[in-house]
Amino acid sequence: EPEVTQTPSHQVTQMGQEVILRCVPISNHLYFYWYRQILGQKVEFLVSFYNNEISEKSEIFDDQFSVERPDGSNFTLKIRSTKLEDSAMYFCASTMTGGLVETQYFGPGTRLLVL
Amino acid sequence: AQSVTQLGSHVSVSEGALVLLRCNYSSSVPPYLFWYVQYPNQGLQLLLKYTSAATLVKGINGFEAEFKKSETSFHLTKPSAHMSDAAEYFCAVRTNAGGTSYGKLTFGQGTILTVHP
Repeated sequence: EPEVTQTPSHQVTQMGQEVILRCVPISNHLYFYWYRQILGQKVEFLVSFYNNEISEKSEIFDDQFSVERPDGSNFTLKIRSTKLEDSAMYFCASTMTGGLVETQYFGPGTRLLVL
Repeated sequence: AQSVTQLGSHVSVSEGALVLLRCNYSSSVPPYLFWYVQYPNQGLQLLLKYTSAATLVKGINGFEAEFKKSETSFHLTKPSAHMSDAAEYFCAVRTNAGGTSYGKLTFGQGTILTVHP
Protein backbone atom coordinates (compact mmCIF):
# COMPACT_ATOMS: atom_id res chain seq x y z
CA GLU A 1 0.00 0.00 0.00
CA PRO A 2 1.38 3.44 -0.88
CA GLU A 3 2.53 5.49 2.08
CA VAL A 4 3.96 8.87 2.95
CA THR A 5 7.59 8.73 4.02
CA GLN A 6 9.61 11.27 5.97
CA THR A 7 13.32 11.75 6.57
CA PRO A 8 15.07 11.96 8.90
CA SER A 9 13.13 10.27 11.67
CA HIS A 10 15.04 12.28 14.27
CA GLN A 11 17.08 15.46 13.98
CA VAL A 12 19.03 17.35 16.61
CA THR A 13 20.22 20.86 15.80
CA GLN A 14 21.63 23.91 17.48
CA MET A 15 19.52 27.02 17.92
CA GLY A 16 19.93 29.34 14.96
CA GLN A 17 20.77 26.60 12.51
CA GLU A 18 18.75 25.85 9.39
CA VAL A 19 16.98 22.53 9.06
CA ILE A 20 15.23 20.88 6.15
CA LEU A 21 12.66 18.21 6.78
CA ARG A 22 11.88 15.97 3.86
CA CYS A 23 8.71 14.19 2.84
CA VAL A 24 7.79 11.96 -0.06
CA PRO A 25 4.00 12.11 -0.50
CA ILE A 26 1.97 9.38 -2.15
CA SER A 27 2.80 9.53 -5.84
CA ASN A 28 -0.53 10.55 -7.39
CA HIS A 29 -1.47 13.00 -4.63
CA LEU A 30 -1.69 16.69 -5.40
CA TYR A 31 -2.25 18.41 -2.03
CA PHE A 32 0.40 18.45 0.64
CA TYR A 33 0.40 19.51 4.27
CA TRP A 34 2.72 20.02 7.20
CA TYR A 35 1.59 19.72 10.80
CA ARG A 36 3.53 19.77 14.03
CA GLN A 37 3.00 18.48 17.54
CA ILE A 38 4.90 20.01 20.42
CA LEU A 39 5.31 17.45 23.21
CA GLY A 40 2.15 17.25 25.25
CA GLN A 41 0.19 19.56 22.95
CA LYS A 42 -2.22 19.21 20.05
CA VAL A 43 -1.29 18.42 16.49
CA GLU A 44 -1.32 21.84 14.79
CA PHE A 45 -1.70 22.74 11.13
CA LEU A 46 1.21 24.65 9.62
CA VAL A 47 0.69 24.91 5.87
CA SER A 48 -1.01 23.42 2.84
CA PHE A 49 0.47 23.39 -0.65
CA TYR A 50 -1.06 22.84 -4.06
CA ASN A 51 0.02 23.51 -7.61
CA ASN A 52 3.43 24.71 -6.45
CA GLU A 53 2.16 27.37 -4.13
CA ILE A 54 0.97 27.75 -0.57
CA SER A 55 -2.82 27.55 -0.41
CA GLU A 56 -3.21 28.17 3.31
CA LYS A 57 -0.94 28.76 6.29
CA SER A 58 -1.38 29.20 10.00
CA GLU A 59 -0.07 32.01 12.16
CA ILE A 60 2.70 29.66 13.27
CA PHE A 61 4.07 29.57 9.72
CA ASP A 62 6.01 32.81 9.79
CA ASP A 63 8.92 34.05 7.66
CA GLN A 64 11.25 31.52 9.27
CA PHE A 65 9.37 28.70 7.57
CA SER A 66 9.21 27.82 3.90
CA VAL A 67 8.01 24.88 1.84
CA GLU A 68 9.07 23.64 -1.53
CA ARG A 69 8.42 20.85 -3.96
CA PRO A 70 11.85 20.75 -5.60
CA ASP A 71 11.06 17.85 -7.88
CA GLY A 72 8.19 15.52 -8.71
CA SER A 73 8.45 13.48 -5.54
CA ASN A 74 9.79 15.46 -2.58
CA PHE A 75 8.06 18.05 -0.40
CA THR A 76 10.25 19.90 2.05
CA LEU A 77 9.81 22.12 5.09
CA LYS A 78 12.68 24.49 5.83
CA ILE A 79 13.18 26.33 9.08
CA ARG A 80 15.75 29.05 8.45
CA SER A 81 16.92 29.83 11.97
CA THR A 82 15.64 27.35 14.50
CA LYS A 83 14.43 28.37 17.94
CA LEU A 84 14.08 26.24 21.05
CA GLU A 85 10.32 26.38 20.67
CA ASP A 86 10.54 24.73 17.23
CA SER A 87 11.29 21.45 19.00
CA ALA A 88 8.38 19.21 18.01
CA MET A 89 7.27 16.25 15.93
CA TYR A 90 6.63 17.37 12.36
CA PHE A 91 4.15 15.42 10.24
CA CYS A 92 3.74 15.56 6.50
CA ALA A 93 0.43 14.57 4.91
CA SER A 94 -0.98 14.32 1.41
CA THR A 95 -4.31 13.88 -0.35
CA MET A 96 -5.33 13.30 -3.92
CA THR A 97 -7.74 16.23 -3.90
CA GLY A 98 -8.43 19.09 -1.50
CA GLY A 99 -11.99 17.97 -0.85
CA LEU A 100 -13.39 18.18 2.65
CA VAL A 101 -14.10 14.45 2.83
CA GLU A 102 -10.72 13.40 1.52
CA THR A 103 -8.54 11.31 3.80
CA GLN A 104 -5.21 12.88 4.61
CA TYR A 105 -2.46 10.28 4.67
CA PHE A 106 0.24 11.02 7.22
CA GLY A 107 3.89 10.14 7.36
CA PRO A 108 5.56 8.77 10.52
CA GLY A 109 6.95 12.18 11.46
CA THR A 110 10.32 13.77 12.09
CA ARG A 111 11.20 14.51 15.69
CA LEU A 112 13.15 17.78 15.78
CA LEU A 113 15.09 18.76 18.87
CA VAL A 114 16.59 22.23 19.03
CA LEU A 115 19.31 22.71 21.65
CA ALA B 1 -13.61 28.91 14.12
CA GLN B 2 -13.66 25.14 14.39
CA SER B 3 -12.31 23.26 17.39
CA VAL B 4 -12.26 19.81 18.92
CA THR B 5 -12.11 18.73 22.54
CA GLN B 6 -11.21 15.23 23.63
CA LEU B 7 -12.25 14.51 27.18
CA GLY B 8 -9.64 12.46 28.99
CA SER B 9 -6.00 12.50 27.97
CA HIS B 10 -5.63 8.91 29.24
CA VAL B 11 -8.17 6.09 29.21
CA SER B 12 -7.45 2.67 30.67
CA VAL B 13 -9.58 -0.43 30.05
CA SER B 14 -9.30 -4.15 30.56
CA GLU B 15 -8.99 -6.48 27.62
CA GLY B 16 -12.50 -7.37 26.44
CA ALA B 17 -14.09 -4.27 27.96
CA LEU B 18 -15.90 -1.50 26.11
CA VAL B 19 -13.76 1.30 24.75
CA LEU B 20 -15.26 4.79 24.77
CA LEU B 21 -13.17 7.77 23.69
CA ARG B 22 -14.95 11.10 23.78
CA CYS B 23 -14.81 13.88 21.22
CA ASN B 24 -16.84 17.08 21.09
CA TYR B 25 -16.57 19.61 18.34
CA SER B 26 -17.41 23.23 17.84
CA SER B 27 -18.27 24.52 14.41
CA SER B 28 -20.61 27.10 12.96
CA VAL B 29 -20.98 25.12 9.74
CA PRO B 30 -21.53 21.41 9.08
CA PRO B 31 -18.38 19.57 10.08
CA TYR B 32 -16.54 16.63 8.67
CA LEU B 33 -15.08 14.57 11.48
CA PHE B 34 -12.22 12.11 11.61
CA TRP B 35 -10.65 9.71 14.06
CA TYR B 36 -6.98 8.89 13.63
CA VAL B 37 -4.85 6.41 15.56
CA GLN B 38 -1.13 6.61 16.16
CA TYR B 39 0.84 3.55 17.16
CA PRO B 40 4.32 4.06 18.59
CA ASN B 41 6.83 5.27 16.01
CA GLN B 42 4.22 5.36 13.28
CA GLY B 43 2.24 8.05 11.49
CA LEU B 44 -1.39 8.96 11.99
CA GLN B 45 -3.67 6.33 10.46
CA LEU B 46 -7.31 6.99 9.63
CA LEU B 47 -9.77 4.89 11.66
CA LEU B 48 -12.99 6.36 10.31
CA LYS B 49 -14.61 9.54 9.09
CA TYR B 50 -18.01 11.20 9.14
CA THR B 51 -19.01 12.75 5.84
CA SER B 52 -22.76 13.31 6.48
CA ALA B 53 -23.82 10.15 4.61
CA ALA B 54 -24.68 8.27 7.81
CA THR B 55 -24.53 9.23 11.47
CA LEU B 56 -23.14 5.88 12.58
CA VAL B 57 -19.78 5.30 10.99
CA LYS B 58 -17.89 2.02 11.04
CA GLY B 59 -14.15 1.98 10.74
CA ILE B 60 -11.24 -0.37 10.79
CA ASN B 61 -10.34 -2.76 13.61
CA GLY B 62 -13.93 -2.92 14.93
CA PHE B 63 -14.20 0.76 15.86
CA GLU B 64 -17.24 2.88 15.21
CA ALA B 65 -18.38 6.40 15.99
CA GLU B 66 -21.74 8.12 16.07
CA PHE B 67 -22.27 11.71 14.99
CA LYS B 68 -24.74 13.46 17.29
CA LYS B 69 -25.45 16.98 16.14
CA SER B 70 -27.59 17.82 19.18
CA GLU B 71 -24.67 16.95 21.46
CA THR B 72 -21.94 18.17 19.07
CA SER B 73 -20.22 14.85 19.69
CA PHE B 74 -18.45 12.16 17.73
CA HIS B 75 -17.43 9.59 20.32
CA LEU B 76 -15.38 6.57 19.33
CA THR B 77 -16.36 3.13 20.61
CA LYS B 78 -15.34 -0.48 20.36
CA PRO B 79 -17.34 -3.23 22.09
CA SER B 80 -14.36 -5.31 23.17
CA ALA B 81 -10.84 -3.96 23.65
CA HIS B 82 -7.84 -5.87 22.44
CA MET B 83 -4.26 -5.45 23.59
CA SER B 84 -3.34 -4.29 20.10
CA ASP B 85 -5.69 -1.29 20.48
CA ALA B 86 -3.23 0.40 22.83
CA ALA B 87 -2.27 3.61 21.05
CA GLU B 88 -3.00 7.33 20.95
CA TYR B 89 -6.25 8.39 19.33
CA PHE B 90 -6.93 11.78 17.76
CA CYS B 91 -10.25 13.33 16.83
CA ALA B 92 -10.12 15.97 14.09
CA VAL B 93 -12.54 18.28 12.31
CA ARG B 94 -12.53 19.91 8.95
CA THR B 95 -14.99 22.52 7.65
CA ASN B 96 -15.42 24.91 4.80
CA ALA B 97 -15.56 27.85 7.15
CA GLY B 98 -14.10 30.96 5.59
CA GLY B 99 -14.56 29.60 2.11
CA THR B 100 -11.45 27.51 2.03
CA SER B 101 -11.73 23.97 0.80
CA TYR B 102 -8.06 23.16 1.08
CA GLY B 103 -8.87 20.92 3.94
CA LYS B 104 -6.73 21.64 6.95
CA LEU B 105 -7.53 19.42 9.89
CA THR B 106 -8.03 20.78 13.39
CA PHE B 107 -7.10 18.18 15.99
CA GLY B 108 -8.04 17.46 19.55
CA GLN B 109 -5.32 16.93 22.10
CA GLY B 110 -5.34 13.16 21.80
CA THR B 111 -6.29 10.32 24.14
CA ILE B 112 -3.84 7.61 25.08
CA LEU B 113 -5.61 4.26 25.39
CA THR B 114 -4.06 1.63 27.66
CA VAL B 115 -5.39 -1.92 27.60
CA HIS B 116 -4.73 -4.17 30.60
CA PRO B 117 -4.69 -7.96 30.35
